[in-house]
Amino acid sequence: KQEVTQIPAALSVPEGENLVLNCSFTDSAIYNLQWFRQDPGKGLTSLLLIQSSQREQTSGRLNASLDKSSGRSTLYIAASQPGDSATYLCAVPLGGGGNKLTFGTGTQLKVEL
Amino acid sequence: DAGVIQSPRHEVTEMGQEVTLRCKPISGHNSLFWYRQTMMRGLELLIYFNNNVPIDDSGMPEDRFSAKMPNASFSTLKIQPSEPRDSAVYFCASSFGQASNEKLFFGSGTQLSVL
Repeated sequence: KQEVTQIPAALSVPEGENLVLNCSFTDSAIYNLQWFRQDPGKGLTSLLLIQSSQREQTSGRLNASLDKSSGRSTLYIAASQPGDSATYLCAVPLGGGGNKLTFGTGTQLKVEL
Repeated sequence: DAGVIQSPRHEVTEMGQEVTLRCKPISGHNSLFWYRQTMMRGLELLIYFNNNVPIDDSGMPEDRFSAKMPNASFSTLKIQPSEPRDSAVYFCASSFGQASNEKLFFGSGTQLSVL
């Protein structure tokens, strides 16, 4: 059974700081990993999708890395802004591929002025 | 495209009543998912469809829950009869192809409260 863990559960940083969010998974036989953002009262927005053949994926100030062998992924946010405040979740396909995603419990990020 | 559209945004009902949640996926997407989110259990996949056909409903908690997708642009999730423990946020999501290969797009969710 795939288990996905995100640490820390909550994080508060001052504006402008670079930060790293962590995601760990128990079954390394995955096809890819997605990072999502969820704003309060809203649905999830897919930020980055890293295929298993890739090591990194970048979008603007966001950089996600994937290390299948160690069962870890990190989401790096550069020069954080108050607008980055949200809950960030990672998700991996259950059993490697297919349509069933297992989500982590998320990291609640607050970027303060 | 307007994205995945869900209705209603909020639903308050009494125990025993029937609840119907609605979803319009993104045009051209052939996979549709229903998720439930609670503080205790996080995000749980209830059921997913591929090309309007239910593929896996193993996440549906009980027979009180049912889902249909009569065509490529519409799906419903029905709870009958509803119970207080069904209170949660229900999300619909869609993707072009498999969620393991493509980004998943979520609707804004339906906040369900069963009194």
